[in-house]
Amino acid sequence: NAGVTQTPKFQVLKTGQSMTLQCAQDMNHNSMYWYRQDPGMGLRLIYYSASEGTTDKGEVPNGYNVSRLNKREFSLRLESAAPSQTSVYFCASSADRDRVLWEQFFGPGTRLTVL
Amino acid sequence: KNQVEQSPQSLIILEGKNCTLQCNYTVSPFSNLRWYKQDTGRGPVSLTIMTFSENTKSNRRYTATLDADTKQSSLHITASQLSDSASYICVVSLTSGTYKYIFGTGTRLKVLA
Repeated sequence: NAGVTQTPKFQVLKTGQSMTLQCAQDMNHNSMYWYRQDPGMGLRLIYYSASEGTTDKGEVPNGYNVSRLNKREFSLRLESAAPSQTSVYFCASSADRDRVLWEQFFGPGTRLTVL
Repeated sequence: KNQVEQSPQSLIILEGKNCTLQCNYTVSPFSNLRWYKQDTGRGPVSLTIMTFSENTKSNRRYTATLDADTKQSSLHITASQLSDSASYICVVSLTSGTYKYIFGTGTRLKVLA
């Protein structure tokens, strides 16, 4: 099992460009999450999907959109990238969002730089 | 406001030595507390999880403690190894609310030979 996979691993964008970060999990998990990690700050939730077909905003959703394509895949789109979106992005999954004893599994991250 | 604070921010120790990392939280309603290890360039990986009623939990050379009354947790690393060099993140989960996981900023540990 690959667990949670993310593509690309690195990306450099110019201000105003758009891109989609891809995430897939092979653990048959219902819930998936997108976080960003910035220096000196804890991981912050951008969007989450409690189950296939549903998505909800997290703490910092502005400037992002998501798609839960199917149970396996959850993508994050930046429509018009800004330098403030320079960050490391992590996708995670868990069996059930409401059963927090169940572990969140994280992908390897995407390091995004916006010039 | 729900917050998780970790100390120290960074720590350097010699291989073979022990160390203790601290986590203080002001989170309610509390469900459980988890410690993650994050290697450079990788995603966090769970080390231990403790519920309200648990005081201590061990995973190989890692021992986590929880004092729910004072809202403090610690992660003790015994006989450190070079591979322990990483960031250690404390995460507190809520039983209710939209944002179920509150992440600390982490402690960056460097183990020197």
